[in-house]
Amino acid sequence: DAGVTQSPTHLIKTRGQHVTLRCSPISGHKSVSWYQQVLGQGPQFIFQYYEKEERGRGNFPDRFSARQFPNYSSELNVNALLLGDSALYLCASSSTGYRSYEQYFGPGTRLTVT
Amino acid sequence: DAKTTQPNSMESNEEEPVHLPCNHSTISGTDYIHWYRQLPSQGPEYVIHGLTSNVNNRMASLAIAEDRKSSTLILHRATLRDAAVYYCILPPGAGSYQLTFGKGTKLSVIP
Repeated sequence: DAGVTQSPTHLIKTRGQHVTLRCSPISGHKSVSWYQQVLGQGPQFIFQYYEKEERGRGNFPDRFSARQFPNYSSELNVNALLLGDSALYLCASSSTGYRSYEQYFGPGTRLTVT
Repeated sequence: DAKTTQPNSMESNEEEPVHLPCNHSTISGTDYIHWYRQLPSQGPEYVIHGLTSNVNNRMASLAIAEDRKSSTLILHRATLRDAAVYYCILPPGAGSYQLTFGKGTKLSVIP
């Protein structure tokens, strides 16, 4: 079975631009979460979606938004990019939304903002 | 949210057991203890979780103290592939769904 897939794997953007990152969960998983991992730190929670509804949001500015599609895939959008947005963006899927801590992570998208 | 404390780094010789400690003195009675690990250049990987009694799976064992204020992840025979950052995680408060990762313990395995 395919694991969580993310695209693109690497991305270079300029300050002020907008970026869209994509995630496909494991087949049958209805919950998708997004995390940001800055070099040397643990992943930081951004969003969780379950059945296309936002179920949780971390301490990130409104420049960050996300959505989940009927096929449970998800997009993370970041507007007005800052240098500090350079990070590894991880997507994780799980089979249930409520208190499901066994999450399966994708390989991430490495975003570099110059 | 309940907090966890882990050593920044540990070393182990290959083929020897490794005991990775985690302190969680503010844990509540119904909190499960979860462990994830992150291999270099990969996303985190679920390892094991437990509530009160010790737990075993194909990857590791989890020993939980009787008062539940600490736990230990045990790798029975470390391999080079086990070199990773290991995260001890407690679930968030009611109504929250996020995993809160600290800095974890960076495990180095010496051949």
